[in-house]
Amino acid sequence: DTGVSQDPRHKITKRGQNVTFRCDPISEHNRLYWYRQTLGQGPEFLTYFQNEAQLEKSRLLSDRFSAERPKGSFSTLEIQRTEQGDSAMYLCASRTGEPDTQYFGPGTRLTVL
Amino acid sequence: AQSVTQLGSHVSVSEGALVLLRCNYSSSVPPYLFWYVQYPNQGLQLLLKYTTGATLVKGINGFEAEFKKSETSFHLTKPSAHMSDAAEYFCAVTKAAGNKLTFGGGTRVLVKP
Repeated sequence: DTGVSQDPRHKITKRGQNVTFRCDPISEHNRLYWYRQTLGQGPEFLTYFQNEAQLEKSRLLSDRFSAERPKGSFSTLEIQRTEQGDSAMYLCASRTGEPDTQYFGPGTRLTVL
Repeated sequence: AQSVTQLGSHVSVSEGALVLLRCNYSSSVPPYLFWYVQYPNQGLQLLLKYTTGATLVKGINGFEAEFKKSETSFHLTKPSAHMSDAAEYFCAVTKAAGNKLTFGGGTRVLVKP
C-alpha cells in the first residue's frame, strides 16, 4: 500500500495555457475524489468517481475543468485556458468501502502567472 | 446543505499545555465527522473520525474529540502539546459513508517552547 500519489507536485503556467494533473489512488480503492484548496482555506470538493463513473460534480467545476478516470484506476484533472484564480493546491483522495476514510495525496500546487 | 465552522483561524499554545480546537457543524442528517491535520506542503492526514457509537473518539498522536449532538460540536483536544503538533487542522463533515467531505476553514496551531 503505497498511498495516493499525484503528479506533478508543482506546476507553474501562464494564463491561458492548459494543464493536466494526474492522481494514482491506493490500489483497489473504488472511489476517487478531487478537491481544491486555496491559500488559507479548507479544501473544497470538486468531483468524485466510483470506478470509472463520475458521480458528482461541484458547481465550482466550470466548463474549463474536466476530470476522467477511464479505467477506474488513475484519474486526470484538466484545466483549459487557465486563469489566475485557478491558482491553488489540487488534492486527490481515494477510499474503499470500509473503513470510511478518504486518504489524501500530497497535492499538486498550481501557480498561474 | 452541510457546513463546518472552526472558531479561531490561529491558536498559539505553549509546549505541554492543553490544545483545544473548536468545530461546530450543521447537518440535516446524522453526520460523520472527521479531523484532519496538514503539515506544510503536504496532503491531509486523518487524525480521528466519528461515525456511530461511542461519542468520545481517540485518534493518533494523543488527540481525541467528543461528538456532542445537542451542541452540534466536535471539538478536538490533546492534553499536552508537543512541538511536532504545529500544523493546520481541519474539521470535516459528511452525511453518509463515501460522500464528499465538507471542510471548515482550518485552524493553524503554533506551539511555543
